[in-house]
Amino acid sequence: QQPVQSPQAVILREGEDAVINCSSSKALYSVHWYRQKHGEAPVFLMILLKGGEQKGHDKISASFNEKKQQSSLYLTASQLSYSGTYFCGTGFNDYKLSFGAGTTVTVRA
Amino acid sequence: DTGVSQNPRHKITKRGQNVTFRCDPISEHNRLYWYRQTLGQGPEFLTYFQNEAQLEKSRLLSDRFSAERPKGSFSTLEIQRTEQGDSAMYLCASSLTTGDSEQFFGPGTRLTVL
Repeated sequence: QQPVQSPQAVILREGEDAVINCSSSKALYSVHWYRQKHGEAPVFLMILLKGGEQKGHDKISASFNEKKQQSSLYLTASQLSYSGTYFCGTGFNDYKLSFGAGTTVTVRA
Repeated sequence: DTGVSQNPRHKITKRGQNVTFRCDPISEHNRLYWYRQTLGQGPEFLTYFQNEAQLEKSRLLSDRFSAERPKGSFSTLEIQRTEQGDSAMYLCASSLTTGDSEQFFGPGTRLTVL
């Protein structure tokens, strides 16, 4: 079951914040967040396991609401390097991920 | 460099030809995954190996697709009688066995079927 990501795209100026949402119709074991730049491989950002935890990675953090089967990725004080397509990968067991269609983030100077 | 490597990086072939891609995972990773990614979409799971055992195959993987990981190290993905719809980026990823381990992706092989 492919998760639904929103928004599809967002344009930011440097220093602005953004939130990317990821929703699943099925109960989740985990949520993985990746960023992919054009022509490159997806790069791992963080994993969240069921339990409603929140994690941070520099100025990028994420939360996981197990009850709502949702995860959100927070981009704080965005930098030019944050540009790319962000994918959430939802796990229903300990190995298989289903990825959303992605959210394209463009950060402008 | 000790990341996941894939070869070739690009492959152009004519419809009906067979192609084979190779993936070398991170050496201590015993799980290996194949994904397919088309433009504007996220990676789609194709199959995965735990050591040399292929434990799951997606319904996306038709009979024309076969994957192997003969000694639990590198893996190959073969597509027989390629079709234009097979054109995509084929990504390989590897991870440790524990369920909360991140999957590290390789740079991918871009396949174009003419």
